[in-house]
Amino acid sequence: AQSVTQPDIHITVSEGASLELRCNYSYGATPYLFWYVQSPGQGLQLLLKYFSGDTLVQGIKGFEAEFKRSQSSFNLRKPSVHWSDAAEYFCAVGAPDQAGTALIFGKGTTLSVSS
Amino acid sequence: DTEVTQTPKHLVMGMTNKKSLKCEQHMGHRAMYWYKQKAKKPPELMFVYSYEKLSINESVPSRFSPECPNSSLLNLHLHALQPEDSALYLCASSQEGAINSPLHFGNGTRLTVT
Repeated sequence: AQSVTQPDIHITVSEGASLELRCNYSYGATPYLFWYVQSPGQGLQLLLKYFSGDTLVQGIKGFEAEFKRSQSSFNLRKPSVHWSDAAEYFCAVGAPDQAGTALIFGKGTTLSVSS
Repeated sequence: DTEVTQTPKHLVMGMTNKKSLKCEQHMGHRAMYWYKQKAKKPPELMFVYSYEKLSINESVPSRFSPECPNSSLLNLHLHALQPEDSALYLCASSQEGAINSPLHFGNGTRLTVT
């Protein structure tokens, strides 16, 4: 069965600095990979997804993520963080060859932005 | 603005009450989901409806009863809940029930059981 790990529970970044949030997965093949963001008091919003092809994917709000098969990773990056990026970030993994299964979410990383 | 609308936004209920959570989407999506989320935790899947049929029930206690009257509506009926059921309940929809179909979430109902 697939699993996903977000090693960092909480990260603080200065406004304008770059950001990288880590996500590692366990799966026998290439899974479906997603990053979602949840602002306080709101639901989750899809930032970007990877299924196949180009390993660098662009998302909304200036975010990108890179799939690295050799490292079983799908890290989220942003070159310059804004105060409005403070939120909870969830990486999620899905198994393409397991019909009837659902996404597995990581435990999340809380991003704080300092001025 | 979210395209998945959940009502009410907040709900306080006693352990003997019966209440319902409602979810609506008009994006033409054919799969709808209920998730439960505790503070500082990821969402936990409860139920999935695909083409108005229940396709996944993640061993949820019977005090939670889902209903999908049509492809745009999803309800969650609550009865005899426990204080530990207090959480944010999120509804989501996706174009298809396939796992590569991205989820669109509502803003949730904050439920408090007293």
